[in-house]
Amino acid sequence: EDQVTQSPEALRLQEGESSSLNCSYTVSGLRGLFWYRQDPGKGPEFLFTLYSAGEEKEKERLKATLTKKESFLHITAPKPEDSATYLCAVQARGSGSARQLTFGSGTQLTVLP
Amino acid sequence: GAVVSQHPSWVICKSGTSVKIECRSLDFQATTMFWYRQFPKQSLMLMATSNEGSKATYEQGVEKDKFLINHASLTLSTLTVTSAHPEDSSFYICSARRVGYQETQYFGPGTRLLVL
Repeated sequence: EDQVTQSPEALRLQEGESSSLNCSYTVSGLRGLFWYRQDPGKGPEFLFTLYSAGEEKEKERLKATLTKKESFLHITAPKPEDSATYLCAVQARGSGSARQLTFGSGTQLTVLP
Repeated sequence: GAVVSQHPSWVICKSGTSVKIECRSLDFQATTMFWYRQFPKQSLMLMATSNEGSKATYEQGVEKDKFLINHASLTLSTLTVTSAHPEDSSFYICSARRVGYQETQYFGPGTRLLVL
């Protein structure tokens, strides 16, 4: 069974204080790993897709990296508007043509001004 | 690009009534759409996978007669909660898989359902 574990559950940072969120996964063959951002009362917003170990993607203050067992979402010099819940999801090679995602429970990030 | 809309954004209904939620991909075609349910402070729980022109595939524990899904076109899927009860109150979110674009799912803004 595919599993995704995110840590920490919650993270409070001061504005400008860089940090990393972790996503550990167990999957029978990784097709893709996805990062989403979710604001309260809204649907998840797509951030990145990573496909193979060693791959990195960047967008503004965010950088996602991938190893064979985990992914990190690095946040550099965060701002209060980066406050949100960050979700990690995996897509397994065995997910068939539908390509279902298995989500982690998320990390709730709060950036204080 | 890759915008997904949901309608309505919130709905309040009486117990026993049925509620229909629409999910539309506005600027791309989606042969596959997904319906999720999310409880407060929890992650997304996949309810069913909807394929255009065919029957939906439901996850274990999800009643297909309770949650009717129709995917009539490449841009529209609907979820109907039949004979809704207070325990069906939740945040329902759809997503659409953009074919040929790295297999990514794009999510709608969600529909908040409150059953009284």
